[in-house]
Amino acid sequence: GENVEQHPSTLSVQEGDSAVIKCTYSDSASNYFPWYKQELGKGPQLIIDIRSNVGEKKDQRIAVTLNKTAKHFSLHITETQPEDSAVYFCAARDTGTASKLTFGTGTRLQVTL
Amino acid sequence: NAGVMQNPRHLVRRRGQEARLRCSPMKGHSHVYWYRQLPEEGLKFMVYLQKENIIDESGMPKERFSAEFPKEGPSILRIQQVVRGDSAAYFCASSPASEQFFGPGTRLTVL
Repeated sequence: GENVEQHPSTLSVQEGDSAVIKCTYSDSASNYFPWYKQELGKGPQLIIDIRSNVGEKKDQRIAVTLNKTAKHFSLHITETQPEDSAVYFCAARDTGTASKLTFGTGTRLQVTL
Repeated sequence: NAGVMQNPRHLVRRRGQEARLRCSPMKGHSHVYWYRQLPEEGLKFMVYLQKENIIDESGMPKERFSAEFPKEGPSILRIQQVVRGDSAAYFCASSPASEQFFGPGTRLTVL
């Protein structure tokens, strides 16, 4: 089955700096890679996703890149703000449009003033 | 359009009791997924259902756990004879096809 690894487990940046979180996956047939933000006591919130036919996707301050050959994808947050502080999870979807997600272990991002 | 609804938000049970967790998907979503999250860990897939059908239950423990998504009403995750190791946050997600949207979760504590 699919295995997703995520690094780093914790990340502290100063407000205004950029943050990068990296994930690798094992199943070359995976074709959909979402990123979720989870705040304390809440459910995961979908913030951006990318499909395997695209190499990069951007939405305001966040962007995701995908390298299918190397089987890794990354989340980039620019101009970080205190409200970006949360736990971020990457995930990969097994083959098939409506299949389960396999999650990474999460990155706790702390944006300091 | 209301988001995914889960209730109760918090549930306390004693060892040996039953826990019933409910999930109402977003309007128009026919796919429901249940995930479990242990403290300081990622989410682990449990089961994927469509109306009246279990599509993939590869993540469900073989005993004590069951799930349903009836024609009418919410999806239910049922845990019989709970043990302390069942204490976790249980999240439901719904999907129209591809993206999965999560509810706020039910935090189960087994005393």
